[in-house]
Amino acid sequence: EVQLLESGGGLVQPGGSLRLSCAASGLTFSTSAMSWVRQAPGQGLEWVSAISGSGGATFYADPVKGRFVISRDNSKNTLFLQMNSLRAEDTAVYYCAIHYDSSGFYYGVGAFDIWGQGTMVIVSS
Amino acid sequence: IVVTQTPLSLSVTPGQPASISCKSSQSLLHGDGKTYLFWYLQKPGQSPRLLIYEVSSRFSGVPDRFSGSGSGTEFTLKISRVEAEDVGIYYCMQGIHLPWTFGQGTKVEIK
Repeated sequence: EVQLLESGGGLVQPGGSLRLSCAASGLTFSTSAMSWVRQAPGQGLEWVSAISGSGGATFYADPVKGRFVISRDNSKNTLFLQMNSLRAEDTAVYYCAIHYDSSGFYYGVGAFDIWGQGTMVIVSS
Repeated sequence: IVVTQTPLSLSVTPGQPASISCKSSQSLLHGDGKTYLFWYLQKPGQSPRLLIYEVSSRFSGVPDRFSGSGSGTEFTLKISRVEAEDVGIYYCMQGIHLPWTFGQGTKVEIK
């Protein structure tokens, strides 16, 4: 069974940093493209960032470009999201998710099949 | 790409059908022949789960009362006979153009 377990969320002041982790099991992690998707309180879903299976290609949504960095450690089956210069509008539940088909990643197509349970990030003074 | 769902809420009697529309501002048909339109369900207090991929293919374990249809820029999710466990928020999503975007969501409740 494929499982994703996020951690690292919490309360942080505006301008601060936080690093999220997503531990994966039950899949061939190194060949799976992965994404982070967030959901602000009471709001809809917003894709944040994605990374190829090898880690060699990354994509970012405009609101986080230049502030967030996605990475992965395939030896530990773990996905990361380093979040810097955090703003109040970054407050959300952050989900990691596996791409349903990694073959299209390099030409910019993607969607997600398995999602983690999410980790809450609150940016507030 | 802007993805627009209608209606935003739906109240359905158990056993009755339900339908949700999703329209995109650009065609979701890729040069590889696939159409990158997906449907998700987020039950209360849970993570989203994939229901339908590439317009009409049901994901593993999804009951056959769920079906997807459409092409180009207009798509529909249908539930043939709504059950109590189908309550939640349904999202469509386009996966052809970065940034991948979701519709606003349609909240389905049981009468």
